[in-house]
Amino acid sequence: QQQVKQSPQSLIVQKGGISIINCAYENTAFDYFPWYQQFPGKGPALLIAIRPDVSEKKEGRFTISFNKSAKQFSLHIMDSQPGDSATYFCAASIDYQLIWGAGTKLIIKP
Amino acid sequence: ETGVTQSPTHLIKTRGQQVTLRCSSQSGHNTVSWYQQALGQGPQFIFQYYREEENGRGNFPPRFSGLQFPNYSSELNVNALELDDSALYLCASSLGATPTDTQYFGPGTRLTVL
Repeated sequence: QQQVKQSPQSLIVQKGGISIINCAYENTAFDYFPWYQQFPGKGPALLIAIRPDVSEKKEGRFTISFNKSAKQFSLHIMDSQPGDSATYFCAASIDYQLIWGAGTKLIIKP
Repeated sequence: ETGVTQSPTHLIKTRGQQVTLRCSSQSGHNTVSWYQQALGQGPQFIFQYYREEENGRGNFPPRFSGLQFPNYSSELNVNALELDDSALYLCASSLGATPTDTQYFGPGTRLTVL
């Protein structure tokens, strides 16, 4: 019940394309859903986040879509660039802790 | 304004030993959370400290313990090291302990247990 399932494990997208990463959860008590970006040798950095009472949030090229009834949320990266190549983690918050997905390694091909 | 820093960067220990990892939080932040990130996995929450008190704990045994100091820097101590403790240990600081307080991560300490 405390898990967040993330897919795909890895993703290769052409430059300019749309990258889509999906996450699913079971626990309806989760109340905040952030996405983190991690480059090799660095700690994760917050990219964008959403509350469950909102269906979509957009910040620049990054959009979170949230489907409360399906208990799923996804990250869309529009016009993907080589600099977006990184590992992306979805997470869900309950009380004081973040429960993380296993990560998606994204490679953008020039 | 300095970011979150962690020391040491890398550490090699043998099974059964004890280790202390350190974290300096970002200026003005009173909350520190510690995570264990195994290779190829997402971070796992160890515990959180808010104003020098443990505010919550994940599913880790008591040999994982911590401290937060008056300047809000923090330590993670692991006793009786096991091979499975080999991982990247991340600390994150935030302005507060609520879920919407953005956590700022340090670069981590890579611990190898032989």
